[in-house]
Parts: sequence; structure tokens; C-alpha cells
Amino acid sequence: EDKVVQSPLSLVVHEGDTVTLNCSYEVTNFRSLLWYKQEKKAPTFLFMLTSSGIEKKSGRLSSILDKKELFSILNITATQTGDSAIYLCALGRNTGTASKLTFGTGTRLQVTL
Amino acid sequence: KAGVTQTPRYLIKTRGQQVTLSCSPISGHRSVSWYQQTPGQGLQFLFEYFSETQRNKGNFPGRFSGRQFSNSRSEMNVSTLELGDSALYLCASSMGSGAADTQYFGPGTRLTVL
Repeated sequence: EDKVVQSPLSLVVHEGDTVTLNCSYEVTNFRSLLWYKQEKKAPTFLFMLTSSGIEKKSGRLSSILDKKELFSILNITATQTGDSAIYLCALGRNTGTASKLTFGTGTRLQVTL
Repeated sequence: KAGVTQTPRYLIKTRGQQVTLSCSPISGHRSVSWYQQTPGQGLQFLFEYFSETQRNKGNFPGRFSGRQFSNSRSEMNVSTLELGDSALYLCASSMGSGAADTQYFGPGTRLTVL
């Protein structure tokens, strides 16, 4: 069975700090790893990673995948209070044409002033 | 483009009743997936519909069912509601070309079962 483990479960940092969120996984037929940010309701898409070692970057957020060691990290630099959210890692498995995401339980990030 | 929409946003039902939730995908998206989110279990996959056919299913009892219409809109039905069905139900749409798709989520329907 596919497995996604995120760490830490929760984190409290001060504004301006840099944080690293971890996602490790076990899956057969890996296809993609996605990161989402969930504040109130709908998870919003951040990154999709399919290849090892290629960093995806968007503003202060960046992410990278290691398919050999089966993990991904999400970095947030110069954190702001608006970064407070649950960050979800999800695995897309290659099941032919079907789409199915397996989610980790998330990392709850709180950024304080 | 308009995002994924879900109706209703909030719903209160009693045990034994049934409920139907609706999801309209992003224009041009042909795949709709449904997820249940609870504090204890996190986000769990229910099923996926593509071209009016269910092509993937999670580990939920038969009380949970769905369908998709020719315009890609999807409905999810839960019959004989139980207290444990209280959750946020999220739908996500994607182009439908496979597991490399990015899924975009709607705001969810918060179901409370009393």
C-alpha cells in the first residue's frame, strides 16, 4: 500500500525564519509528488515534482525530489504570517490513465510575529 | 478561468438520511476526484470519474457512490449516513490524462451528521 509520511507534524517559527518540511514515501509505480497548501478550506496547488534533483521554485517557496532516497522537501524562506497553513504532500501513482492522489497527514506551520 | 465549485458549502443531516453533493470542475477538465478529509484520517481518496465512468475507487463502503454527467459535473451520494461520515468533502478536477495531472481542489462541502 502506498505510504506518505510528513514531518514534522507541526511547527511554530518566527516571521523571517526559514523552514524545511519533509515528505517521505513508499509507492510502486511512482509518477508524481505534489505539494499543496491548505489554509481554510481548499488545498491550493504549489508544486508538482516528477524528476529527481530538479528544484521547483516559486517566490520564497522551493521544492526538490529525491527518487533514490524516496523523499521530497519543501523550503520556505523569510517566512511570513501568511504562510501559516497546513502543507500537504501527495503522491500520484502510475495506474495507467487513472488519477489518484495519496496524501500525507500534513505539516501544520504557524508563523508568529 | 473559474475554479472548481462545490455545492452546498455546508450541510447538516441526521443519522440514516442520505445526502448528495455536487461538484463543477474547471472548464475543460474531464476528470473529477472526490476526497474525504477528517482530523483523524486526513485526506482520503473516495473515487475518480472520467468521461462519465468511474475509473478509480478508494476503500470506502458501498454507501458512498458517485456519478458524472456529460458536461463533466459530478455528484457524490452518501446513503444511510453515520456519525463518522461527518467530514469535509473535497472534489478536485484535472485534465484527466493520468497521474501526472495536477488536481485542483474546490472549497469543499462541510457535512455534519447528528
